[in-house]
Amino acid sequence: DGGITQSPKYLFRKEGQNVTLSCEQNLNHDAMYWYRQDPGQGLRLIYYSQIVNDFQKGDIAEGYSVSREKKESFPLTVTSAQKNPTAFYLCASITTGNTEAFFGQGTRLTVV
Amino acid sequence: AQSVTQLDSQVPVFEEAPVELRCNYSSSVSVYLFWYVQYPNQGLQLLLKYLSGSTLVESINGFEAEFNKSQTSFHLRKPSVHISDTAEYFCAVSEYNFNKFYFGSGTKLNVKP
Repeated sequence: DGGITQSPKYLFRKEGQNVTLSCEQNLNHDAMYWYRQDPGQGLRLIYYSQIVNDFQKGDIAEGYSVSREKKESFPLTVTSAQKNPTAFYLCASITTGNTEAFFGQGTRLTVV
Repeated sequence: AQSVTQLDSQVPVFEEAPVELRCNYSSSVSVYLFWYVQYPNQGLQLLLKYLSGSTLVESINGFEAEFNKSQTSFHLRKPSVHISDTAEYFCAVSEYNFNKFYFGSGTKLNVKP
């Protein structure tokens, strides 16, 4: 089945650590996105990539980094510079022409 | 840039009652409109979308939404809700020639028995 896979589902981070969230898709979509979700704030765009080896900052990119070395993969690293990383992270891929966004099941990151 | 407004953060309703979740967006220039549903600790699932053609679109589980260009709205309605409809609903807008999706802040629908 085609879809988007995020892993892990739950992730715990100690203060000062970098962690990487995985996002893989087999939908053959060029565009992939990372969103952060906090209660009552909807989805906020962190980074997006429209093509391999290219990506742009979204609205809240500070403290995050990404790479897009393969069409299928768009990992997100939450660095120690992100002061409040506890949140639900969603990865999405979008069809050509923006006719639909497909989402993974999300990763819940908690700082311990 | 687009902005999407969902005025109601929470909507409580009794089972079998009708419901309307409101969505307004800032520009009607070549937009596509979507409603997504999210259950706890899960990703978003597409509920319905408007791309072109008939302004009234329907989902398989009884929801419908109408594209109103003059009012820049895309309200979601259901004539009779079920307990299983309890979830958070997000309105979204995209533009054909600009590769971004814009999401509203979400509306939590709480269906009570």
